[in-house]
Amino acid sequence: QLHLQESGPGLVKPSETLSLTCVVSGGSISTNDFYWDWIRQSPGRGLEWIGSIHFRGSAYYNPSLQSRVTVAIDTSKNQVFLRLSSVTAADTAVYYCVRGAANPRGLYDHWGQGTLVTVSS
Amino acid sequence: DIQMTQSPSTLPASVGDSVTITCRASENINTWLAWYQQIPGKAPKVLVSRASTVEGGVPSRFSGSGSGTEFTLTIRSVQPDDFATYYCQQYRIPPWTFGQGTKVEI
Repeated sequence: QLHLQESGPGLVKPSETLSLTCVVSGGSISTNDFYWDWIRQSPGRGLEWIGSIHFRGSAYYNPSLQSRVTVAIDTSKNQVFLRLSSVTAADTAVYYCVRGAANPRGLYDHWGQGTLVTVSS
Repeated sequence: DIQMTQSPSTLPASVGDSVTITCRASENINTWLAWYQQIPGKAPKVLVSRASTVEGGVPSRFSGSGSGTEFTLTIRSVQPDDFATYYCQQYRIPPWTFGQGTKVEI
C-alpha cells in the first residue's frame, strides 16, 4: 500500500524559505509511470498545483510560483522535497505530496495526509 | 490558465436524493477532467477520470459526464458517507487547475 507522508516546520516567518519533505513508502519513486507533485490548499486560493518532478529529473512548475519554487527528488531515500522562498501570509496552506500519472500528467491517485504551514512572524 | 467554475457552491441534500454538480471550463479541455471527493480533515480522493471513468473501488452511484467545457458529477441515491466537498480538475493544459468546490450537505 503506497503511503506518502509530508513533514516540515509548521510555522515559517515571512520572507523566509518553506521546506517540506515527502517520504514515500510502499513503492518506489523510481518509476517511469508517475510524477511526484506538490499541491496546496487554502481557504482563499482553494486547491493549487505547485509543481511536479519525475525521478529522471524532469520538473514542471506552476508559472505563478515558478520564480520561488523548487521541487527535488532523492531516489536513494525515496523522498521528494519542496522549497518555496520569500514566503508571505498568502503561502499559508495545507501542503500535500501527491502521486500523479505520467501519461497523462495531472491525474492524482495517491495523496499524503497534508501538512499545515502557517506563515507568520 | 484554464479557469474551472463549479455550481452550486453548496448543495443541500437528504439521504436517498439524486444530486448533480456542474463544472465549466474556460476553454475546451476535451474529456481531460477529474472529480475528487474531500471529507473534512482528509486529502482529496479521485472519483472519476477522463470525465466519465469511475475509478476502481468507487461506488457505482457516482457517475460523470460531459466533454469540451461542460461537465457534471451525479450522485444517485446520496448516502451518509457522501456528505463532503467535491472538486473538478482539468488536466489538459498545465498548470492543472481545480474548481472552487461544491459542498454537499444535509
